[in-house]
Amino acid sequence: GEDVEQSLFLSVREGDSSVINCTYTDSSSTYLYWYKQEPGAGLQLLTYIFSNMDMKQDQRLTVLLNKKDKHLSLRIADTQTGDSAIYFCAESTTSGTYKYIFGTGTRLKVLA
Amino acid sequence: GAGVSQSPSNKVTEKGKDVELRCDPISGHTALYWYRQSLGQGLEFLIYFQGNSAPDKSGLPSDRFSAERTGGSVSTLTIQRTQQEDSAVYLCASSTGLAGEQYFGPGTRLTVT
Repeated sequence: GEDVEQSLFLSVREGDSSVINCTYTDSSSTYLYWYKQEPGAGLQLLTYIFSNMDMKQDQRLTVLLNKKDKHLSLRIADTQTGDSAIYFCAESTTSGTYKYIFGTGTRLKVLA
Repeated sequence: GAGVSQSPSNKVTEKGKDVELRCDPISGHTALYWYRQSLGQGLEFLIYFQGNSAPDKSGLPSDRFSAERTGGSVSTLTIQRTQQEDSAVYLCASSTGLAGEQYFGPGTRLTVT
């Protein structure tokens, strides 16, 4: 079945760039998303990209999509301690059977 | 506020009891989703509603789980005869349409003792 995979942990120093990676299996994905979950809170959408795009930039966030390799990444420039959270990638498609699948999440820890 | 709300925020119940979790989506959002997040795990998709209809219930973990939505608004997730493995945070989300941005509620933390 469809699967979305992420590494579990990432640790970076404040001010450095963070790159969180995600791989997915379903080539029919329509949208790919990055969500952020802070401790004790629900998920919040950070950004999303259409599957026909290669890159999207939004302030400190850059999303890269390699559709051939089914690889999605989120780059956070100038990482701050407030960026410490769990980051989930997700894919959705409405072609045929609807689905919306989340990855296992990457816990980002920013060291001061 | 106008966000997604869930109640209760915390629920402790004894094994074998039934529980009902409630979700109030953002007004006007036609799609509503339920997820389960176990400790240290990702999100497990349980069920979604388009209006009051749930086209695919195959994500529900067992027949002890059921969900309904009335009036295109409030949804309840019911777990009958709770088991310890049901302990998790149950998250609800809503969106204006399928495949769009999902707005999440704060979740209900369920603990089965």
